[in-house]
Amino acid sequence: AQTVTQSQPEMSVQEAETVTLSCTYDTSESDYYLFWYKQPPSRQMILVIRQEAYKQQNATENRFSVNFQKAAKSFSLKISDSQLGDAAMYFCAYRSARETSGSRLTFGEGTQLTVNP
Amino acid sequence: NAGVTQTPKFQVLKTGQSMTLQCAQDMNHEYMSWYRQDPGMGLRLIHYSVGAGITDQGEVPNGYNVSRSTTEDFPLRLLSAAPSQTSVYFCASRPAAGSINSPLHFGNGTRLTVT
Repeated sequence: AQTVTQSQPEMSVQEAETVTLSCTYDTSESDYYLFWYKQPPSRQMILVIRQEAYKQQNATENRFSVNFQKAAKSFSLKISDSQLGDAAMYFCAYRSARETSGSRLTFGEGTQLTVNP
Repeated sequence: NAGVTQTPKFQVLKTGQSMTLQCAQDMNHEYMSWYRQDPGMGLRLIHYSVGAGITDQGEVPNGYNVSRSTTEDFPLRLLSAAPSQTSVYFCASRPAAGSINSPLHFGNGTRLTVT
């Protein structure tokens, strides 16, 4: 079974600075998808960024980018120019490419990000 | 476009009571699922469905029942609530067609407390 680990329960960053959230996973598969979700105090789950394992290029979405290290099974999220609205719980998630329903995601424990003005 | 709608937003139950958490989506998504979120444990899959009439168990199915009579609705039933079921519950959906890596669309969650 796959596992996802987020070793930083809490992180903080100054507004306009850069922060990196860590995520490692364990799998024996070679084809899979990785996601970062953001959960603000409203409780809504918002997709931040996704990465296909077969792609070597790291995904980017505006101020958000990932460092995907397949051999090391690492998938960290970098937030540049942090804004107050980035404050949230962030979840890393894994999905096997063999899982055709797309419903079976394995989530990490979450990292609570605080942005200080 | 409402997306995934969960009701109620909050619920308090006594041990042994039963209730149904409702989930409806208006995006004609074939795939639907239920997750529970507990502090320090992330989200864990309870049950999921790949279409009307088809359901399957996830990681933590005990104490919960589901059925899928229509594409739009996927209710989660607690037959005899226990304090261990105190959690935040999320319903999610995804289309069968389209990009294989298309993400889940989540509802806004139901916070359930069992006393």
